[in-house]
Amino acid sequence: NAGVMQNPRHLVRRRGQEARLRCSPMKGHSHVYWYRQLPEEGLKFMVYLQKENIIDESGMPKERFSAEFPKEGPSILRIQQVVRGDSAAYFCASSPGLSTEAFFGQGTRLTVV
Amino acid sequence: KQEVTQIPAALSVPEGENLVLNCSFTDSAIYNLQWFRQDPGKGLTSLLLIQSSQREQTSGRLNASLDKSSGRSTLYIAASQPGDSATYLCAVTINNNDMRFGAGTRLTVKP
Repeated sequence: NAGVMQNPRHLVRRRGQEARLRCSPMKGHSHVYWYRQLPEEGLKFMVYLQKENIIDESGMPKERFSAEFPKEGPSILRIQQVVRGDSAAYFCASSPGLSTEAFFGQGTRLTVV
Repeated sequence: KQEVTQIPAALSVPEGENLVLNCSFTDSAIYNLQWFRQDPGKGLTSLLLIQSSQREQTSGRLNASLDKSSGRSTLYIAASQPGDSATYLCAVTINNNDMRFGAGTRLTVKP
């Protein structure tokens, strides 16, 4: 059973481009969470999704950021018109249900130049 | 609003020493508390999960305790090794599986 898979591991984008981050949860896990870790800061919750539903997006910036978890395929975190301040490590976690152990991916390190 | 604090922010110990990392949270209404390890430039590895109804969990040289009423958890590492050097994060799960993380304790175990 492979762990949570995130790709790419490293992503470089120029200001104004779009960044697409992918997360494949562990087999059997229907809950996906995205977190952002800014340099020298802790992990901050962004969004919680179940298949085809956004459950809680209270941590998502109101503009340029969106997330989806389609019926088939990985969860996608999309950042439009990236700015330098979006440079961070983005982590995805999955769990089989509420209040269960969450398993994290290795993260995608986004650098905006 | 849930706030999670970890003390100390950094800790350096000689190999073989037993040590305790502390985590405190302001709202006792949690579903569980989880300790993670993060190596530089890497992802998070789950170490121990304590459900809100539990008092402690053990895995090998690690023991985590939870006192929900006082809003505290400790991670005890016995006989520390250089390979234990990493940042240790605690996170509490609140509604909708939303986790709130502490800033972490950066541990260095010197050979």
